[in-house]
Amino acid sequence: QKEVEQNSGPLSVPEGAIASLNCTYSDRGSQSFFWYRQYSGKSPELIMFIYSNGDKEDGRFTAQLNKASQYVSLLIRDSQPSDSATYLCAARPQAGTALIFGKGTTLSVSS
Amino acid sequence: EPEVTQTPSHQVTQMGQEVILRCVPISNHLYFYWYRQILGQKVEFLVSFYNNEISEKSEIFDDQFSVERPDGSNFTLKIRSTKLEDSAMYFCASSEQGINTGELFFGEGSRLTVL
Repeated sequence: QKEVEQNSGPLSVPEGAIASLNCTYSDRGSQSFFWYRQYSGKSPELIMFIYSNGDKEDGRFTAQLNKASQYVSLLIRDSQPSDSATYLCAARPQAGTALIFGKGTTLSVSS
Repeated sequence: EPEVTQTPSHQVTQMGQEVILRCVPISNHLYFYWYRQILGQKVEFLVSFYNNEISEKSEIFDDQFSVERPDGSNFTLKIRSTKLEDSAMYFCASSEQGINTGELFFGEGSRLTVL
């Protein structure tokens, strides 16, 4: 069974702080990983993807991948109240094209 | 900006009725997907579709579900005989490519309420 695990939270951080979101996956053959943001009642919106070990930065967001530990993380720098949402981690298993999603971590940024 | 569009945005139906949810994927995308999200739960994969046939499906996608691409633009999900537990948000997604970095773009969803 291919699983993606996330701490459901809520994760609460003050405005301007760094938020750190974590994810583990079970399929060791997974090659690409995605972070989506989902506001309540809305559809998932892609933030960024990563497929190489190490860090990938895009603006205030940094994704980190460690394939040996089967671990993916997302750092949000200078968190804003508008970042308050549920963050979904997804992995593409070795076989197939569909993404498998975790339950998501709810982030709350207080002003 | 190109987007995935879904209709209807909300449908209420009686248990046992058939429902068809419609999607128009992004025009140059080749891979199409249906996901569902029961309220408060995770986004679950149902089925993927490529080259006019199902390429993958989950154990959720049983005989009461079917998908079709009736013309060059629409992609539909049919639920033959709805059950109470089919109440969920159904998301259509499309991808330009299905491997490696091919990210999925989601529509706004169709909320299905089965009474």
